[in-house]
Amino acid sequence: SYELTQPPSVSVSPGQTASITCFGDKLGDKYACWYQQKPGQSPVLVISQDRKRPSGIPERYSASNSGNTATLTISGTQTMDEADYYCQAWDSGTVVFGGGTKLTVL
Amino acid sequence: QVHLVQSGAEVKKPGASVKVSCQVSGYTLTKLSIHWVRQAPGKGLEWMGGFSSEERKTIYAQEFQGRVTMTEDPSTDTSYMELTSLRSEDTAVYFCSTVFGGQRGGWFDPWGRGTLVTVSS
Repeated sequence: SYELTQPPSVSVSPGQTASITCFGDKLGDKYACWYQQKPGQSPVLVISQDRKRPSGIPERYSASNSGNTATLTISGTQTMDEADYYCQAWDSGTVVFGGGTKLTVL
Repeated sequence: QVHLVQSGAEVKKPGASVKVSCQVSGYTLTKLSIHWVRQAPGKGLEWMGGFSSEERKTIYAQEFQGRVTMTEDPSTDTSYMELTSLRSEDTAVYFCSTVFGGQRGGWFDPWGRGTLVTVSS
C-alpha cells in the first residue's frame, strides 16, 4: 500500500522559516494537501492541491510538490504555528495520510 | 459555509458496535462527499472511508472492510459511521469531514469536532 513519510519533529526559532517534508513514491504525480492540528482540536486545511492556500490561511504558508517530495514551508514562523502537520494524498482511489510532524517553535 | 456537528462521546465494551453521526448544516448532504477519519490517542490520522462522487458509492479503507458501514439520511442531512466488533485498539476520536475536488486531488475541509469512542471492559 502507498505510504507517506514525514519527519516526526521539526524545530524552528520564531521568525525563521520552517520546512516540513512529506515523502512518497512519485508523490509529485499526485496532488498533496496539508493539515494543521493543534492539541485537542480538529485538523484544519492549510494547503490543497499542492500549493493552494484556502481563504483565512496566512500568506506565510506555502508549499510545493515535485518528484517524490512535497514540502510545506512556513515563513516568519510564529508561536501560533506550533502544531502537528499532516500531509495527505490519494492513491488508487483511497486516501493516505502521512504520520504527522510536530512543529516546535522555540 | 458547510458546518458539521457530530454526536457525543461513547463508551463501549469490546465486541459491541458504535454508531456516530455527523449532521450537515449550511449545505445539502446529497451534494457533499462525507468521509470519516479517526485518530487514536497520541497517534496520527487514519482514513476510514467515505462517499465517492465519481463512483457514486461509498468506499472503505481495506483495514476496515467488513467492520464499518457508512450511511446517509438525506431527510435530516445526517451521515452515519457504524463500526462493529469493537476492540480496545478502536479507542479513538472519530472525525467526519467533507471532501472537495474528487479522488484525484481532493481535500478535507471542513472537519467536525470529533467524537471520542472509548472501548473498555
